Amino acid sequence: AQSVTQLDSQVPVFEEAPVELRCNYSSSVSVYLFWYVQYPNQGLQLLLKYLSGSTLVKGINGFEAEFNKSQTSFHLRKPSVHISDTAEYFCAVIGGGSEKLVFGKGTKLTVNP
Amino acid sequence: KAGVTQTPRYLIKTRGQQVTLSCSPISGHRSVSWYQQTPGQGLQFLFEYFSETQRNKGNFPGRFSGRQFSNSRSEMNVSTLELGDSALYLCASRGTGGLNEQFFGPGTRLTVL
Repeated sequence: AQSVTQLDSQVPVFEEAPVELRCNYSSSVSVYLFWYVQYPNQGLQLLLKYLSGSTLVKGINGFEAEFNKSQTSFHLRKPSVHISDTAEYFCAVIGGGSEKLVFGKGTKLTVNP
Repeated sequence: KAGVTQTPRYLIKTRGQQVTLSCSPISGHRSVSWYQQTPGQGLQFLFEYFSETQRNKGNFPGRFSGRQFSNSRSEMNVSTLELGDSALYLCASRGTGGLNEQFFGPGTRLTVL
């Protein structure tokens, strides 16, 4: 079965600082990876996805992620965050013959002025 | 296109009651998945329906059930509510043709007293 580990439950940063949210997955087969964002009292919005091809994936709102198969990681990065990036971020995986989307526990990003 | 809609947005019930939640997918989407989100367990997959048939199921007791209608709208039912069923219930729809992104609705916040 697939599993996803988000290594940090909370990440506080200052505005305009860079940020990295870490995600590791466990799978012995090909997987597809996603990052979703959830703003307070809202559903999930897709930031970016890795299906195949280039390991560096660019998403919305200036976010990008790098797929590293040898380290089974898919870390999310942004070079300069804004107050409006304050939200909860979820890493998710699908694959291995299953069509179920498996989520990590989430990382709460707080951007302080 | 209109997004995924869920009704009601908020619901308060008491233990032992039952509840029905509704989800209308994006027009043309035939796959609807349901997720439960709680602070302790995070996002957990409940089930997926495709063309009125349950295609995948998560590890939830039989009190949780669902169905999908011919217009792809889906309902989720929880019988004999327990305090631990208090959660945000998210619905997601997906188009056909390969691995497509899941689009999430805003969720229904269920509180069981």
